[in-house]
Amino acid sequence: GEDVEQSLFLSVREGDSSVINCTYTDSSSTYLYWYKQEPGAGLQLLTYIFSNMDMKQDQRLTVLLNKKDKHLSLRIADTQTGDSAIYFCAVIYNQGGKLIFGQGTELSVKP
Amino acid sequence: GAVVSQHPSRVICKSGTSVKIECRSLDFQATTMFWYRQFPKKSLMLMATSNEGSKATYEQGVEKDKFLINHASLTLSTLTVTSAHPEDSSFYICSASDKFYGYTFGSGTRLTVV
Repeated sequence: GEDVEQSLFLSVREGDSSVINCTYTDSSSTYLYWYKQEPGAGLQLLTYIFSNMDMKQDQRLTVLLNKKDKHLSLRIADTQTGDSAIYFCAVIYNQGGKLIFGQGTELSVKP
Repeated sequence: GAVVSQHPSRVICKSGTSVKIECRSLDFQATTMFWYRQFPKKSLMLMATSNEGSKATYEQGVEKDKFLINHASLTLSTLTVTSAHPEDSSFYICSASDKFYGYTFGSGTRLTVV
């Protein structure tokens, strides 16, 4: 079935790196996404990775993909208080191209 | 980049009334639109997928007579919550997709039924 799992909470200190993990069950997805949601707001696309890539870096963000283990991670370097938000990983399932989300990881950055 | 406009951003309605939420893709034509529902501190639950000119495909457990979806054009989809009840209070988010921009989300609608 379609299942995307994330840990619910992560707390880090300002300046540290944050690593948010995600596992999924369907390996047919060609794209895997990371979204950010601030309180009361919609979703902001942070980054995405193609399934034929192992790593993608975009400024402070690094995405790692382990297809064998069906594991996706998002690393935020030099985490700032403005990074506090909920982060969702999402994968596309071929059935109708649906985008399925994990539960979201609430990142709390302490000064 | 692609922008999806969702209106209204907030709505309060009385029990038993219907509420319509609009989702428009600006500057691009969306082949498919998706409607999600999000409970507080929870993930986004896909409610339905709609393609222009055809009936929406609802996810299991979503009442199609309660959540009416119309996708009349390549730039507009609407979700109507009929005979709303307090348990329908939630955050509803639409997403429009096309081959060039991928998935673009609206800013969401906070529905409160009193």
